[in-house]
Amino acid sequence: EVQLVQSGAEVKKPGESLKISCKGSGYSFSTYWIYWVRQLPGKGLEWMGRIDPSDSYTNYSPSFQGHVTISADKSLTTAYLQWRSLQASDTAMYYCARRDYSASRNDYNDYWGQGTLVTVSS
Amino acid sequence: DIQMTQSPSSLSASVGDRVTITCRASQSISSYLNWYQQKPGKAPKLLIYGASTLQSGVPSRFSGSGSGTDFTLTISSLNPEDFASYYCQQSYSAVTFGGGTKVAIK
Repeated sequence: EVQLVQSGAEVKKPGESLKISCKGSGYSFSTYWIYWVRQLPGKGLEWMGRIDPSDSYTNYSPSFQGHVTISADKSLTTAYLQWRSLQASDTAMYYCARRDYSASRNDYNDYWGQGTLVTVSS
Repeated sequence: DIQMTQSPSSLSASVGDRVTITCRASQSISSYLNWYQQKPGKAPKLLIYGASTLQSGVPSRFSGSGSGTDFTLTISSLNPEDFASYYCQQSYSAVTFGGGTKVAIK
């Protein structure tokens, strides 16, 4: 069974650093890209970026470039989302998702993690 | 960046109603359009990919159509478990989500 299991909820202060994780199991981890998606409280979904675990190639949304870092350790079948300096505006639910694609190369996210709630407050 | 505009942002409907949600892209995205359902406190769930292909296990009352810039998600007969938020997503150039449509009980 394919599963993406994310790390638990975090409460941090502004300026602190944080790294959350997303562990894949039940499939060949290196074969499928991992996406990260943000959801602000009561708001919609925002694509943050993605990583190819086979070579750690990353691609970021311009809205998040430079503010977060996406990484992966294929030996641990785990992807990560990291902040060096959190802001209150980073308070949100964060989801990881596996990317698959159709014969016509249309990408889609077929499996999702359960989400990690990050709260940043002084 | 490709912008995705969903409409309506919310709607009220009754069990058994036919519901249609639209998604418009700021430029042509061919059929690189996916639909997701999200219930409160849960992760999104893939319903349709490639504009019209039903994901395995998704009930046939869900259908998708469109290509280019205009797309539609239709629920032929609303079930109680379908009250949720729905999002479109383009994967033609990077990734962008629509703003979402909340389907509420009338």
